[in-house]
Amino acid sequence: DQQVKQNSPSLSVQEGRISILNCDYTNSMFDYFLWYKKYPAEGPTFLISISSIKDKNEDGRFTVFLNKSAKHLSLHIVPSQPGDSAVYFCAARGQNFVFGPGTRLSVLP
Amino acid sequence: SQTIHQWPATLVQPVGSPLSLECTVEGTSNPNLYWYRQAAGRGLQLLFYSVGIGQISSEVPQNLSASRPQDRQFILSSKKLLLSDSGFYLCAWEQETQYFGPGTRLLVL
Repeated sequence: DQQVKQNSPSLSVQEGRISILNCDYTNSMFDYFLWYKKYPAEGPTFLISISSIKDKNEDGRFTVFLNKSAKHLSLHIVPSQPGDSAVYFCAARGQNFVFGPGTRLSVLP
Repeated sequence: SQTIHQWPATLVQPVGSPLSLECTVEGTSNPNLYWYRQAAGRGLQLLFYSVGIGQISSEVPQNLSASRPQDRQFILSSKKLLLSDSGFYLCAWEQETQYFGPGTRLLVL
């Protein structure tokens, strides 16, 4: 049973436009959510996080939104750049960290 | 600052051979340490975590084992590799957020 879901395995966006990556979770006890970015053959790198007591956190081009009632979070990247092309993992913290399956973002020049 | 090392970066092993992957962390003491596996096209699967020397928790029953002989050293082992053990293995340490090492790509033939 997947506790963290990323229903879009891939997403293509034009350079300069907004990328929106979505994540849904089932466990209401999760108290902290994170997004990681992963290039091939490298470890994931931490991007941005949000506590369950907030609904928005912004860091430069990256914004994470949390909708607790819908158990949904999203990552917005504006403007998207070709270097943003990577696999993005959503993660949630309960007793341990639980990761989604990832979404592959392709930013087209 | 903290850094995390993994080696080797790539490993090709025959079925039935033993395995030892090493992870070390610098710049912190008594970290929580984690081993994850990313199979091709799939998300991150938590294999083991450790909250201290000699303390190992297993998340998934399998032919892998982990050990923590020193505070900042975490080792992933197997006595006999299976084809299904192929994947990308990631070590992570935790301080509010999890930070990942560069990973080891294991191919079992």
